[in-house]
Amino acid sequence: GAVVSQHPSRVICKSGTSVKIECRSLDFQATTMFWYRQFPKKSLMLMATSNEGSKATYEQGVEKDKFLINHASLTLSTLTVTSAHPEDSSFYICSASLSSGNTIYFGEGSWLTVV
Amino acid sequence: GQQVMQIPQYQHVQEGEDFTTYCNSSTTLSNIQWYKQRPGGHPVFLIQLVKSGEVKKQKRLTFQFGEAKKNSSLHITATQTTDVGTYFCAGGIAGNKLVFGAGTILRVKS
Repeated sequence: GAVVSQHPSRVICKSGTSVKIECRSLDFQATTMFWYRQFPKKSLMLMATSNEGSKATYEQGVEKDKFLINHASLTLSTLTVTSAHPEDSSFYICSASLSSGNTIYFGEGSWLTVV
Repeated sequence: GQQVMQIPQYQHVQEGEDFTTYCNSSTTLSNIQWYKQRPGGHPVFLIQLVKSGEVKKQKRLTFQFGEAKKNSSLHITATQTTDVGTYFCAGGIAGNKLVFGAGTILRVKS
């Protein structure tokens, strides 16, 4: 079945540095991918919609200059957390689907810790 | 913005007891999806309901979508220890976006 892979699964970075997280659809092409953030024991919060070949659409309250999203191909979207701060520490997870209305598959998620 | 409320936040049951979690949306949804997340894991898709009043079953799990397409429930019959995890509902809105409920943490005592 369809698989979405995320990398890295865990990353620790220093405050002020930038971190890139990759989301790949392994056996299907995804024109749209979604990025979520999940705080411990909390629900998933949609951050942005990543559209292949165009700019991402960010949800209200999400800083687009802080969380850079690039969807350069039909199988890869990246989320870059720029100038990371400890409050950016969280679980980031992406999802993708074949097309609107189809099953949505989630990546394994990426744990980011900013020290 | 659109919200999906989910209750209860937490439920601890004895193995063999039933369990139900409920979701309610402030607006009409195009569909409702249910996910299960184990501790330390990622959400795993369980099911999608699209039609008004739809009921679907997966073994011991029964999923319902309300007539107004604003509420949904997941019922587990005779829980087992393998059922532990957090169950999320997610309301489908335009463009395949999902609005997640807060989740219900299920713990099962053996």
